[in-house]
This record gives sequence, C-alpha cells and structure tokens, in this order.
Amino acid sequence: GIQVEQSPPDLILQEGANSTLRCNFSDSVNNLQWFHQNPWGQLINLFYIPSGTKQNGRLSATTVATERYSLLYISSSQTTDSGVYFCAVGTGGFKTIFGAGTRLFVKA
Amino acid sequence: NAGVTQTPKFQVLKTGQSMTLQCAQDMNHEYMSWYRQDPGMGLRLIHYSVGAGITDQGEVPNGYNVSRSTTEDFPLRLLSAAPSQTSVYFCASTLLQGGELFFGEGSRLTVL
Repeated sequence: GIQVEQSPPDLILQEGANSTLRCNFSDSVNNLQWFHQNPWGQLINLFYIPSGTKQNGRLSATTVATERYSLLYISSSQTTDSGVYFCAVGTGGFKTIFGAGTRLFVKA
Repeated sequence: NAGVTQTPKFQVLKTGQSMTLQCAQDMNHEYMSWYRQDPGMGLRLIHYSVGAGITDQGEVPNGYNVSRSTTEDFPLRLLSAAPSQTSVYFCASTLLQGGELFFGEGSRLTVL
C-alpha cells in the first residue's frame, strides 16, 4: 500500500520563527489533507489540498502531486501552534492513510 | 452544529470485557470510519462504511466489529478486550469519496 512519510519527526521553534513541514507519499493520490492535533487531542482540519497552494492566515500549504509531496508552512509561529501535524492521503477509494506526524513545540 | 460526536470520552475495561464505542454524525455524510491512534504511529484505519448496510475492513480490523444500520450512526464493538487495544479511538466522516474528513473528539480506552 501507499507509504506516507513526514519530516521532521520533531521540531522545536522559538516563538516568531518560521517552519516548513514536509509530507512525501509513495504513489499517486486523489486527495491530501493536513491536520493539527492540539495538546488536548482534538484533530483540526487545516487544509484539503490534493494539488496547488492554499493559504489561511499564517499557515499555507502546497501540494505537488506529480512529484508526490506536500509542504505545510507556518509563519510567525505562536505557542498555540504546538501539537502534532498530520498529513493524510487518499488513493481513490474510501481509505485515508496517515503519516506518523511532526511533533511541534513552540517556545515562548 | 454537533458534527461528529463520540461517546464515551474515557473508558477503562478489564481484559475480556466487551464494550461499544458510539459514533454519530449529523452532516448526512455517507462515509464513516474508525481509526486508532497509538504513540508515534499516527492514525490507523480499523473499519469503514460507505453507506447504511455496507462496511469494510481497514488496516487493523482484528478484534473489532462494526455495523451501519443508519446513515447517522457507526458503532465500534470490542467483543473481548485485550491490553493491545489500549488506544485513542477516533471516528470520522466525509460527504464524498476522497472528500475532506471530519473527526470526532476521540475516545480514550484503557484495557487492564
């Protein structure tokens, strides 16, 4: 089956810094989503982005489907950005496969 | 606007006990699914359903049972709980095949 790899696995930032999280996938995908899991465990939808670029405030995402990767950009990070960021992909059926996540800690 | 609702939020079981995790959605989504989340492993798909009366297995289906009698509800049953089933369980739904997934708040299960 498809493999989803996220990097880096862990990231520590000083508040105000920028970062880029990466998601590589091993096969063609029909959809791709980015989620943020906050310290209370809630999974929050960030982007539904099978291709192209989207922006939402300080966050933006780009998916290059032909090269099988997606990037999540966080600018001017805040302590509330801490948590785990997941990339999840679907290959045309109803199965969505998750990467192992990037754990982010933003220091005040 | 409830979205996806899971109950209970916390549960402790003894090995061999049975229980049902409830999941309900009020968005009229056809597709619903159950995931488990273990430390460092992301979310893994247990079972999914593409509509009332239709279910199928995901990556890790062993030890779990599901049914889908209505569009709104998709319960997950553990018939004989084992310590390896200690995990956080998430229910999700989506309107369309390959569409945006929406998650419930999770159910933390501990099996002693």
